[in-house]
Amino acid sequence: ETGVTQTPRHLVMGMTNKKSLKCEQHLGHNAMYWYKQSAKKPLELMFVYNFKEQTENNSVPSRFSPECPNSSHLFLHLHTLQPEDSALYLCASSQNNGQPYTFGSGTRLTVV
Amino acid sequence: EDKVVQSPLSLVVHEGDTVTLNCSYEVTNFRSLLWYKQEKKAPTFLFMLTSSGIEKKSGRLSSILDKKELFSILNITATQTGDSAIYLCAVGAGGTSYGKLTFGQGTILTVHP
Repeated sequence: ETGVTQTPRHLVMGMTNKKSLKCEQHLGHNAMYWYKQSAKKPLELMFVYNFKEQTENNSVPSRFSPECPNSSHLFLHLHTLQPEDSALYLCASSQNNGQPYTFGSGTRLTVV
Repeated sequence: EDKVVQSPLSLVVHEGDTVTLNCSYEVTNFRSLLWYKQEKKAPTFLFMLTSSGIEKKSGRLSSILDKKELFSILNITATQTGDSAIYLCAVGAGGTSYGKLTFGQGTILTVHP
């Protein structure tokens, strides 16, 4: 384990479902991130939270809704997703002083 | 828009070979360049480079940054099957982009016995 825990590891959902991804970090970091990793594409930044305040929304569709109740927990709420949203969703955390990210193992999401 | 390009996109070698992975970038207000290794799911940190010309080394892996030509290389000597992975290059910027990383597409390295 890296110190960043993501659940669930795998998720299959229909286009009309509502589900949530969870990320928890035990590293005392103050910044958390959601990235999307699709096949043959670079990791795409989705959201950034610093001290539980959202500081970046990278033009993400509203069917993805983040929540950061405290500096240790980050959620990604999903509703009415499309098949093209199928991807690996990676959470990361860092000290917001330019230090490297620590990534979680990701959630493999399949939208059917 | 910040951009990171890695080459080659994939590489197949045999154990014992030496490989060089490339990363070029165009970033406003460059702060750092990072290399990650992704084997199954979680990318794991390898190196962070901020200064030109200073090689960072960890075992058989080494990396160097050229801030004038805007690129970095990652070298792996005496490759092993356990080096098979996706190698990701990322660039961090300062200013309003502080804390964000922009990633390249990755290089898929396959090492055959």
